[in-house]
Amino acid sequence: AQSVSQHNHHVILSEAASLELGCNYSYGGTVNLFWYVQYPGQHLQLLLKYFSGDPLVKGIKGFEAEFIKSKFSFNLRKPSVQWSDTAEYFCAVNEGNTGKLIFGQGTTLQVKP
Amino acid sequence: KAGVTQTPRYLIKTRGQQVTLSCSPISGHRSVSWYQQTPGQGLQFLFEYFSETQRNKGNFPGRFSGRQFSNSRSEMNVSTLELGDSALYLCASRSDPNYGYTFGSGTRLTVV
Repeated sequence: AQSVSQHNHHVILSEAASLELGCNYSYGGTVNLFWYVQYPGQHLQLLLKYFSGDPLVKGIKGFEAEFIKSKFSFNLRKPSVQWSDTAEYFCAVNEGNTGKLIFGQGTTLQVKP
Repeated sequence: KAGVTQTPRYLIKTRGQQVTLSCSPISGHRSVSWYQQTPGQGLQFLFEYFSETQRNKGNFPGRFSGRQFSNSRSEMNVSTLELGDSALYLCASRSDPNYGYTFGSGTRLTVV
């Protein structure tokens, strides 16, 4: 069965530090890839998505992610985090164009001011 | 543009009861999916509806069911509630396969 693995469960960074959150998936076919963020007390929001084309995708709030097909990876990056980036981050995979998103377990990011 | 609206926001039910949760997608969105979020299992797919038809179903028991109406609004029903059904139930909608899903704020169900 398709699965998504997020390597870091809890990350603590100081403001201005660089961020990279790992995400690997198991499906070998056509996939659509997503990163969602859940700020404390808020609903899931889409950060960025990859469907096809340039494997380096840029999202909102300065986030970007790189799709590396050979490594089945879609890592999330941000060059300089802010305290307001404190949230839980979820990687998700969508097989083809089905409506089923498979989520990773999430990574809690805590940014110290 | 209004977002995905889920009602009620909070619900407390007794074991053995049944519950119905409602989701109004963004206007024009015809695909609606439901997810269960718990601290232990994370986000798990329940089902997806498109044009009143269930297109995909996750690995949940038959006590979990859903439907979609002609105006794309969706409901999910859980019968014979168990303590383990306590969770945040999220609804998401999208306009077409080339866009990401937009999530609602969820319904927090507590089974006592």
